[in-house]
Amino acid sequence: AQKVTQAQTEISVVEKEDVTLDCVYETRDTTYYLFWYKQPPSGELVFLIRRNSFDEQNEISGRYSWNFQKSTSSFNFTITASQVVDSAVYFCALSEVMIKAAGNKLTFGGGTRVLVKP
Amino acid sequence: SQTIHQWPATLVQPVGSPLSLECTVEGTSNPNLYWYRQAAGRGLQLLFYSVGIGQISSEVPQNLSASRPQDRQFILSSKKLLLSDSGFYLCAWSPWTESSYNEQFFGPGTRLTVL
Repeated sequence: AQKVTQAQTEISVVEKEDVTLDCVYETRDTTYYLFWYKQPPSGELVFLIRRNSFDEQNEISGRYSWNFQKSTSSFNFTITASQVVDSAVYFCALSEVMIKAAGNKLTFGGGTRVLVKP
Repeated sequence: SQTIHQWPATLVQPVGSPLSLECTVEGTSNPNLYWYRQAAGRGLQLLFYSVGIGQISSEVPQNLSASRPQDRQFILSSKKLLLSDSGFYLCAWSPWTESSYNEQFFGPGTRLTVL
């Protein structure tokens, strides 16, 4: 069975500090995708990134960066120079191997609440 | 561009009453559709998913049901609500492509309180 663990329940930082969110996953599939979503106070989940299991290159998008390490089954997310608008719950998710007939289901971690104080 | 709508945005219902939540997607055809529930302060639980009209798969046995009467319409229902049905209900869609790993896009959600 697939499992995603986000051990940090809540992280509180002061604006401009960096914050790293941990994500550890378990799967028996050799091919899979990992995702990060942001859930601001409004509630809607916003897609941030998708990474496949064959691409271990780190990725940077503005103040966001992702570190995928297959050897440790981790897909960590760092926000550099955090801002108040980064305050949200962040979810890591794992996609099962699925054919069209079965859809592509995501297994979500429990989420990490990030509170950025001014 | 594609958009996903959910209504109502908030709902307060008494225990034992029926429920109907609606989700519609615009700007795409034959999407995969999903219903999730998020209890207060917790993660997302997949309830149902659908790969086509009339095709519903249930992930968690419960007193909820889902239907897909049209290609881009997904409905979550209950005949009798329980207190434990309270939560934030999110609808999501993913595109129909050859890849099975497409990200899901979420609607704004419905906050349901059962009293």
